[in-house]
Amino acid sequence: QSVLTQPPSTSGTPGQRVTISCSGSASNIGNNNVNWYQQVPGTAPKLLIYSNHQRPSGVPDRFSGSKSGTSASLAISGLRSEDEADYYCASWDDSLNVVFGGGTKLTVL
Amino acid sequence: QLQLQESGPGLVKPSETLSLTCTVSGDSISSSTSYWGWIRQSPGKGLEWIGSIYSSGSTYYNPSLKSRVTISVDTSKNQFSLKLSSVSAADTAVYYCARPRGRVADEFEYWGQGTLVTVSS
Repeated sequence: QSVLTQPPSTSGTPGQRVTISCSGSASNIGNNNVNWYQQVPGTAPKLLIYSNHQRPSGVPDRFSGSKSGTSASLAISGLRSEDEADYYCASWDDSLNVVFGGGTKLTVL
Repeated sequence: QLQLQESGPGLVKPSETLSLTCTVSGDSISSSTSYWGWIRQSPGKGLEWIGSIYSSGSTYYNPSLKSRVTISVDTSKNQFSLKLSSVSAADTAVYYCARPRGRVADEFEYWGQGTLVTVSS
């Protein structure tokens, strides 16, 4: 049981816009920033979004993040086949630990 | 460019202690003001943060693992290590070492490739 709640799966067609939600509580998302990771199976996770909406260098602006209250969202626009991966949200928790969501498997149809 | 590489036994017996090392290149653990962390992923499951150590030596552990985890730094070798005691099959996972992008504890930008540790007799 993950501290942060994500839908197990979602899907979209090429060119479409998809969003992935992440729900937490006051002690984590409500009080701290949210980060998003992309993981292609068999590889290490990649930081996709940090501090709620910031993109590391090299991450396309098709990826965007937002936060409101105790929830956050990752949006992917202009969906591409290479976006097929697992996506995880994460946040610092006030109990002094890092918490992850259970992950969302994105399928590009 | 910062690189991290995990190393250690791929097979550990139940009840024994899992020991892994992360070798850092491209940055100095002793001179950086950064956190260094361990994250694991059980087969087919999600990511689980194990714990982190700050360059000052302060440690932060996942409450669910805290009683069994020790993370330490060896500045002479530019390495940091993970020890997980009393392991069981539930500890079988790919273990990643990682470093956040700045002085925060949780924006893990740099990752090792991961190493699979299987707990089995």
